Amino acid sequence: GAVVSQHPSRVICKSGTSVKIECRSLDFQATTMFWYRQFPKQSLMLMATSNEGSKATYEQGVEKDKFLINHASLTLSTLTVTSAHPEDSSFYICSARTRRWNTEAFFGQGTRLTVV
Amino acid sequence: GENVEQHPSTLSVQEGDSAVIKCTYSDSASNYFPWYKQELGKRPQLIIDIRSNVGEKKDQRIAVTLNKTAKHFSLHITETQPEDSAVYFCAARTSLGQNFVFGPGTRLSVLP
Repeated sequence: GAVVSQHPSRVICKSGTSVKIECRSLDFQATTMFWYRQFPKQSLMLMATSNEGSKATYEQGVEKDKFLINHASLTLSTLTVTSAHPEDSSFYICSARTRRWNTEAFFGQGTRLTVV
Repeated sequence: GENVEQHPSTLSVQEGDSAVIKCTYSDSASNYFPWYKQELGKRPQLIIDIRSNVGEKKDQRIAVTLNKTAKHFSLHITETQPEDSAVYFCAARTSLGQNFVFGPGTRLSVLP
């Protein structure tokens, strides 16, 4: 299977600062990347879908200006949490799809964000 | 849009017993149903999937059944082992959409 690498795995930041999370597909070209947020003991909530070279499509209720997504290449997508607040603390996880393995979604390791 | 429900939310079984997790979906256009296993603090891992043109699929101790008419699908784990303890998520996807819609998850505990 394909490998998706997500960094950092954990980050603690001060309220008001911005945090960037990277998601890389290591051995395949990710035509589509998905960003999820997962609260403790809850399911994966889709935040946005991004296709390489185009703007991300955000789910209802997700603030575009707060969660900036960039998918500039076929192997890298980034999620930037801007002006983070304690309520943004969560587990963020990306997944990538490729045309070759069209059905399966390969997940990154996830990032535990804590805003203090 | 698609809505996926999953039951039970928690499940405890004795080692060696079977475990069954059930999901229902709302969009009859959904045609792909994967199951993911997520251990604490780790990424979800695909364990088995089924397409809408198949009614059942088995992989060693794991099997998935699909009832398109009733719009529900189930995960069956036989001869459970402690390492099967994790959260299991079902998901559904349509051929038109790109993203999966995940169920709320089932926390499975296999007691030794």
